[in-house]
Amino acid sequence: QSVLTQPPSVSAAPGQRVTISCSGSSSNIGSNYVSWYQQLPGTAPKLLIYEDNKRPSGIPDRFSGSKSGTSATLGITGLQTGDEADYYCGTWHSSLSAGIFGGGTKLTVL
Amino acid sequence: QVQLVESGGGVVQPGRSLRLSCAASGFTFGFIGMHWVRQAPGQGLEWVAVIWPDGSEKYYAESVKGRFTISRDNFKNMVYLQMNSLRAEDTAVYFCVRHYSGWDYWGQGTLVTVSS
Repeated sequence: QSVLTQPPSVSAAPGQRVTISCSGSSSNIGSNYVSWYQQLPGTAPKLLIYEDNKRPSGIPDRFSGSKSGTSATLGITGLQTGDEADYYCGTWHSSLSAGIFGGGTKLTVL
Repeated sequence: QVQLVESGGGVVQPGRSLRLSCAASGFTFGFIGMHWVRQAPGQGLEWVAVIWPDGSEKYYAESVKGRFTISRDNFKNMVYLQMNSLRAEDTAVYFCVRHYSGWDYWGQGTLVTVSS
């Protein structure tokens, strides 16, 4: 069981918007930056969002991140079939001195 | 451009050891913290270990503490993961990951299978 809690799956139609939540505690999300990763089948994870809400170069603005207290959210607008993937949140856990990831959310674009 | 290339994976018997290597290029290696993250078959991501840019600090997941050792050679731009007393539950793809703005660059991964 992961320290960060994500819904196992979400789904939406092409063109729609979806959000993925990531819930933690004051020792992790509440005191450290959150980042988000997309993993397509058979590939390494790819950074989508860092420092809660920043996008690396090349990541479209359809992807957004936000954080409030001990929870973070990834938003994806204008869904495309190519967005079907597993999505993970990650952060540092201060009291454990360890990196942590959420359990992952499988996005299905219906 | 940034490249991380892992090597050293394979099939190993329970209780034996294996050393993973990661060759880094395309960035100033000695200024960046490096991590290992693993993913068991069909499972999610599990953080394994981190080493500070100068190697002064290292931290480990509870599941590998006392068995795994992370190290780096800033002259060779290499990071290593020495894995001892391997268990079946250590079977996973191991990714070498750079941490600068988040875990921003990942290697392709190397598969470690622990089986008799």
